[in-house]
Amino acid sequence: AQTVTQSQPEMSVQEAETVTLSCTYDTSESNYYLFWYKQPPSRQMILVIRQEAYKQQNATENRFSVNFQKAAKSFSLKISDSQLGDTAMYFCAFMKLLGNEKLTFGTGTRLTIIP
Amino acid sequence: KAGVTQTPRYLIKTRGQQVTLSCSPISGHRSVSWYQQTPGQGLQFLFEYFSETQRNKGNFPGRFSGRQFSNSRSEMNVSTLELGDSALYLCASSLMVQNTEAFFGQGTRLTVV
Repeated sequence: AQTVTQSQPEMSVQEAETVTLSCTYDTSESNYYLFWYKQPPSRQMILVIRQEAYKQQNATENRFSVNFQKAAKSFSLKISDSQLGDTAMYFCAFMKLLGNEKLTFGTGTRLTIIP
Repeated sequence: KAGVTQTPRYLIKTRGQQVTLSCSPISGHRSVSWYQQTPGQGLQFLFEYFSETQRNKGNFPGRFSGRQFSNSRSEMNVSTLELGDSALYLCASSLMVQNTEAFFGQGTRLTVV
């Protein structure tokens, strides 16, 4: 079974600063996907960024980038030039490449951007 | 293109009752997954449907069931409600089975009293 751990329950940062959210996972699989989802107060889970484990290059999406360390089973999210709209719960999630398509989520990090 | 629609948004039920939640996926999406979100247990996978077939099921008691219709709309049912079933129930849809790009609805907030 896979496990996903987010060790930072809450974080806060000043607007325009950079913040990094941590995520570690445990799996015996070699092929999988990792995700960061954002859940604002509206409750809708929104996909922020996705990383295929077989790709060495770290994924980036505008102000969002990841640091994927496969050997260390670490998958952190960096948010640059943080904005008030980034305030939300952030969940790290894991999914096997084939067979079992369910998402396994971490416990989340509540991020607050301070004006 | 309309997003994933979950109805109702809020629901209050009494212990022992049953409840049915509905999820309409994005047009053309054939895979629907359900998740339960609680403060204590976090986000947990309930089940996944593709082309009207349940392909995967999480570790929940038999009181939790679901189905998918030919138009890909899905329902989940919880019978004999318990206080611990109070949660946000999220539905996610994706085009195919390997839902690497799952789109979530806004959820149904179920409160059991």
